[in-house]
Amino acid sequence: DAGITQSPRYKITETGRQVTLMCHQTWSHSYMFWYRQDLGHGLRLIYYSAAADITDKGEVPDGYVVSRSKTENFPLTLESATRSQTSVYFCASSGARKGEKLFFGSGTQLSVL
Amino acid sequence: GDSVTQMEGPVTLSEEAFLTINCTYTATGYPSLFWYVQYPGEGLQLLLKATKADDKGSNKGFEATYRKETTSFHLEKGSVQVSDSAVYFCALSSGGGADGLTFGKGTHLIIQP
Repeated sequence: DAGITQSPRYKITETGRQVTLMCHQTWSHSYMFWYRQDLGHGLRLIYYSAAADITDKGEVPDGYVVSRSKTENFPLTLESATRSQTSVYFCASSGARKGEKLFFGSGTQLSVL
Repeated sequence: GDSVTQMEGPVTLSEEAFLTINCTYTATGYPSLFWYVQYPGEGLQLLLKATKADDKGSNKGFEATYRKETTSFHLEKGSVQVSDSAVYFCALSSGGGADGLTFGKGTHLIIQP
């Protein structure tokens, strides 16, 4: 199916474990983004990618790692999960032109116990 | 840096009431402005946008006008419905895709029948 998909939809893990959230888009968009959504903070950018093998930090990158070996995939890894990383994570993609809208996935709700 | 300020709510209205959600921004240059909507359990989806001063974005009965002189992009709807209950995010983009979007904290709108 066309679009942007995230998996898993829900994840519960323990402090210190490694967790990878997956994101896949079928539009061949250049740009992909990871946001986290928390009450009182809205959405904050974690990492973004302008193309395959090009990634850069956003507002809150600490504790996260990303990769983009293929244009369509942009996984987000929490190398050693902490309780402060309990959040809802959204992946998004867009074209490169100024003013282009972002397309969002349905989100991954992550709980770190 | 760029920032977006919006009323956080919750905002509770009766069906058929007039809606205004205020949004003001700080940015360099001439950003593009957006309103996104998030229904329960879903990702964000674009509601409307405006890319230059005095542009009016509109969709599904919602409108917002890009006011550079007041750095505002207030969302309005003449007659709200229960189905409009959602979280609304104001956002801006200063550059191309690399910048992603800077979001406000979101306004939770509740429409009562």
